[in-house]
Amino acid sequence: EDQVTQSPEALRLQEGESSSLNCSYTVSGLRGLFWYRQDPGKGPEFLFTLYSAGEEKEKERLKATLTKKESFLHITAPKPEDSATYLCAVQVNYGQNFVFGPGTRLSVLP
Amino acid sequence: DTGVSQDPRHKITKRGQNVTFRCDPISEHNRLYWYRQTLGQGPEFLTYFQNEAQLEKSRLLSDRFSAERPKGSFSTLEIQRTEQGDSAMYLCASSPPTLVDSYEQYFGPGTRLTVT
Repeated sequence: EDQVTQSPEALRLQEGESSSLNCSYTVSGLRGLFWYRQDPGKGPEFLFTLYSAGEEKEKERLKATLTKKESFLHITAPKPEDSATYLCAVQVNYGQNFVFGPGTRLSVLP
Repeated sequence: DTGVSQDPRHKITKRGQNVTFRCDPISEHNRLYWYRQTLGQGPEFLTYFQNEAQLEKSRLLSDRFSAERPKGSFSTLEIQRTEQGDSAMYLCASSPPTLVDSYEQYFGPGTRLTVT
């Protein structure tokens, strides 16, 4: 069964304290891995798409990387406005059934 | 704002009643998705439309759930004979037409359903 897990479940950082979030997946065939940010009471907001192992994408303080079994979302010198739930999702084979992980709740304290 | 819109934003209903939600995707987005999200969990795929055709449906989706996308524009999701377990946030997302097989989705704000 296709499965996506994320760790840690929750993470509290001080402003400026860099860290990484993990997304591990067990799928029959990966077509793409996606990272989203979700603020409370809102729909997810797209951040990155990664297609193959070794690929990296960056946006402001965020950098996403992909290996054959997991992806990392690195947050450099976070600010309080980076506080949100970060979700990863995988697209399996050629279907449109995107499987989401449970998310990591990030809190950045000033 | 030309993002994905959903209506209503909140719905409270009694067990056994039928409810219908509407989603208006971003203009010219031909792909449309419905998801359900419960507290502390990621979105769970329900169904997918390409234009007006419903091409995929979750195996977990009860027969009480039905979705339509007439004319390939807006979409509706109906839940018949609601149960307390249907309480969740229902999210709609759309994606543009593309030659690439894998692509990002743009989500609406969701409809929060509470079944009492």
